[in-house]
Amino acid sequence: AQSVAQPEDQVNVAEGNPLTVKCTYSVSGNPYLFWYVQYPNRGLQFLLKYITGDNLVKGSYGFEAEFNKSQTSFHLKKPSALVSDSALYFCAVRDGPNSGYALNFGKGTSLLVTP
Amino acid sequence: DVKVTQSSRYLVKRTGEKVFLECVQDMDHENMFWYRQDPGLGLRLIYFSYDVKMKEKGDIPEGYSVSREKKERFSLILESASTNQTSMYLCASSRGGGAETQYFGPGTRLLVL
Repeated sequence: AQSVAQPEDQVNVAEGNPLTVKCTYSVSGNPYLFWYVQYPNRGLQFLLKYITGDNLVKGSYGFEAEFNKSQTSFHLKKPSALVSDSALYFCAVRDGPNSGYALNFGKGTSLLVTP
Repeated sequence: DVKVTQSSRYLVKRTGEKVFLECVQDMDHENMFWYRQDPGLGLRLIYFSYDVKMKEKGDIPEGYSVSREKKERFSLILESASTNQTSMYLCASSRGGGAETQYFGPGTRLLVL
């Protein structure tokens, strides 16, 4: 089965510093990978996805992610964190056609950006 | 912009009640999904549908059923609510095909007493 893992429950970073939220994947075949963000008591908002092509994917709100096939990772990054980036971040991998291409999510990483 | 709406943001129900959660999308998407979100577990797939009147079980379908009578609407039904169904329920939709992005509704936080 396709799966992702987010090894950190929480990441703390000071405003203005670069941030990284980690994600590793385990798939058979080529992975389709996604990042979503969730603000308190809200639904998930799509940030970016990797399907094929350039290993560096740019997304919404200044976020980007780097696909690394040799390390089976898809880490989310931002060069300069904002306090408003504080939220819950989910990495996900697309499942196969038998699930309607549903997403398999990691457990989430809580990002706290302090002033 | 894609819009996915859910009928309630918060619901409080009693054990044994039949509960209906409604989801509507306005982008003519073929695929619709219901997930539940619990702390430390991420999101888990309950049911999905890839066409009108079509439904398939996800990873945790026990205690739930779904209905898709119209393309834009996908309903989740808790036949007899139990306390272990207290959770956040998220609906999503996408176009058909494997590379498409899923778009999520705001969620319904359900408390079963």
